[in-house]
Amino acid sequence: EVQLVESGGALVQPGGSLRLSCAASGFIFSESGMSWVRQASGKGLQWVSSYSVRDGRALYADSVKGRFTISRDTSKNTLYLQMDSLRVDDTAVYYCLRGGWGTMFDYWGQGALVSVSS
Amino acid sequence: QAVVTQEPSLTVSLGGTVTLTCGSSTGTVTNDHYPYWFQQKPGQAPTTLIYNAINKRPWTPARFSGSLLGGKSVLTLSGAQPDDEAEYYCLLVYNSGFAVFGGGTKLTVL
Repeated sequence: EVQLVESGGALVQPGGSLRLSCAASGFIFSESGMSWVRQASGKGLQWVSSYSVRDGRALYADSVKGRFTISRDTSKNTLYLQMDSLRVDDTAVYYCLRGGWGTMFDYWGQGALVSVSS
Repeated sequence: QAVVTQEPSLTVSLGGTVTLTCGSSTGTVTNDHYPYWFQQKPGQAPTTLIYNAINKRPWTPARFSGSLLGGKSVLTLSGAQPDDEAEYYCLLVYNSGFAVFGGGTKLTVL
């Protein structure tokens, strides 16, 4: 059974940093593209970043490029999202999902809440 | 950046049929956009219904189907059930990996 479990959500001040983790199980993590998608309260889904297993690229939405970094540790079957220079408008539930360039988007985690506020 | 458009809201009668569409500001939606459809119910994470425009996941109810029609990706629900009341999002992929979601369609089943 595929499982994706996010952790690391917290309240952080503007300008601060936070790292989200996504523990994956039930599939061959090293062979799967992975992504992060966020959703502000009452709003729609927004793609944030993907790691492409097809060509090893890390892709980012314009709104987070230069501030967020996606990475993975295949020995721990864990996906990360390092978020720096956080802004109030980064406040959202962040979902981890299996999928990206070269991998079908299919399984979603339950989400981690990131609140950016002073 | 491309803009993906969906109907903000639609209503369907119980047992009826409804079509949701997904368009792109860059032009015709094709298989090269790898169109996806996701369903999200209040307080829950999204689930994947359709990928590559027409393909279903094992958990996708048979009453949902996907297609490309009129330059758009289309999600058709035939025989709507109360459990289908949800927000539906499409996603298109651009430039070898950059994904863009539509704004979502709130579907009401009466």
